[in-house]
Amino acid sequence: AQTVTQSQPEMSVQEAETVTLSCTYDTSESDYYLFWYKQPPSRQMILVIRQEAYKQQNATENRFSVNFQKAAKSFSLKISDSQLGDAAMYFCAYRPSGGSYIPTFGRGTSLIVHP
Amino acid sequence: NAGVTQTPKFQVLKTGQSMTLQCAQDMNHEYMSWYRQDPGMGLRLIHYSVGAGITDQGEVPNGYNVSRSTTEDFPLRLLSAAPSQTSVYFCASSWDREGNSPLHFGNGTRLTVT
Repeated sequence: AQTVTQSQPEMSVQEAETVTLSCTYDTSESDYYLFWYKQPPSRQMILVIRQEAYKQQNATENRFSVNFQKAAKSFSLKISDSQLGDAAMYFCAYRPSGGSYIPTFGRGTSLIVHP
Repeated sequence: NAGVTQTPKFQVLKTGQSMTLQCAQDMNHEYMSWYRQDPGMGLRLIHYSVGAGITDQGEVPNGYNVSRSTTEDFPLRLLSAAPSQTSVYFCASSWDREGNSPLHFGNGTRLTVT
């Protein structure tokens, strides 16, 4: 079974600084997809960024980028120029490309942004 | 386009009561699922469905029932509520069974069982 590990229960960052959230996963599959979701205090789950395992290029969405290391099974999220609105719980998720296609989530990292 | 609509937003039950959490999506998604979120535990899959008439168990199915009579609706039934079922529940759907489709989530239901 696939597992997703977020080793940092909580992280903090100063406004305008950069922070990196870690995620590792375990799978025997070669083709899969990885996601980061944001859950602000409103409780709504929001897709932040998505990475296809077959793509070597790291995904980027404005201030959010990933460092995808397939061999190391690592998928970290970098938030640049942190803003107060980035404060939230962040979940890393893995989803196989076929077969069970059931997503597996990490336990989440709570990001605190200090003004 | 409403996306995923989940009701109610809040619910308080007494032990032994039953209730149904409603979930509807208007995106013609094949895949629908229910998660529970508990502090420090992330999102745990309760049940899922890959299409009308097809359901299967997830990681924590005990005490919950689902059905999928239409593509749009995927209700979650608590048969006899227990305090251990106090949690936040999310319904989520996706466009296809391929892994590249992200999940679309409802706004969640906070359930308290006393």
